[in-house]
Amino acid sequence: AQSVSQHNHHVILSEAASLELGCNYSYGGTVNLFWYVQYPGQHLQLLLKYFSGDPLVKGIKGFEAEFIKSKFSFNLRKPSVQWSDTAEYFCAVNARNYGQNFVFGPGTRLSVLP
Amino acid sequence: DAGVIQSPRHEVTEMGQEVTLRCKPISGHNSLFWYRQTMMRGLELLIYFNNNVPIDDSGMPEDRFSAKMPNASFSTLKIQPSEPRDSAVYFCASSPGPNQPQHFGDGTRLSIL
Repeated sequence: AQSVSQHNHHVILSEAASLELGCNYSYGGTVNLFWYVQYPGQHLQLLLKYFSGDPLVKGIKGFEAEFIKSKFSFNLRKPSVQWSDTAEYFCAVNARNYGQNFVFGPGTRLSVLP
Repeated sequence: DAGVIQSPRHEVTEMGQEVTLRCKPISGHNSLFWYRQTMMRGLELLIYFNNNVPIDDSGMPEDRFSAKMPNASFSTLKIQPSEPRDSAVYFCASSPGPNQPQHFGDGTRLSIL
């Protein structure tokens, strides 16, 4: 069965600091990978996705993620965070042979201090 | 461009009562998902449908929970009887097809007293 782990439960940064949130999954086959963001009191929104091709994926709001197949990782990065990036971030994996069954990680709460 | 629409946004009811949550997916999306989100357990997939057919309901916690999708534009999640531990935010999501990103609704915040 698939599983997704996220390295940090809560990350606190100051504005302009660089961000990297870790995500690892367990599944040996072909996967689709996603990062979602949930702003306080709102629903989940897609930040970026990886299906195939260039392992460095660029998303909205200056976020990017790198798929490293050998490490089963899909870490999210942003060079300079803003206060408005305060949110919860979820990594999700869809193993293609499992059809529509997405597995979400436990989430990482990001707090950006002004 | 209407997104996924859920109703009600908030529901407060007493334990033992029947609760029905509603979802209208994005038009043209073939897959629909119900999730539950709590502080303790995070985001859990309860059930998903493809073309109105339930595919995997292994996440449904117990028989008190049931979900239906009578047509492509409507789904319900029912809890009967409700219990305080069912208190959570319930999200509905839809996607255009297999392996495609999901679009989430605003959720229903359910409180069982």
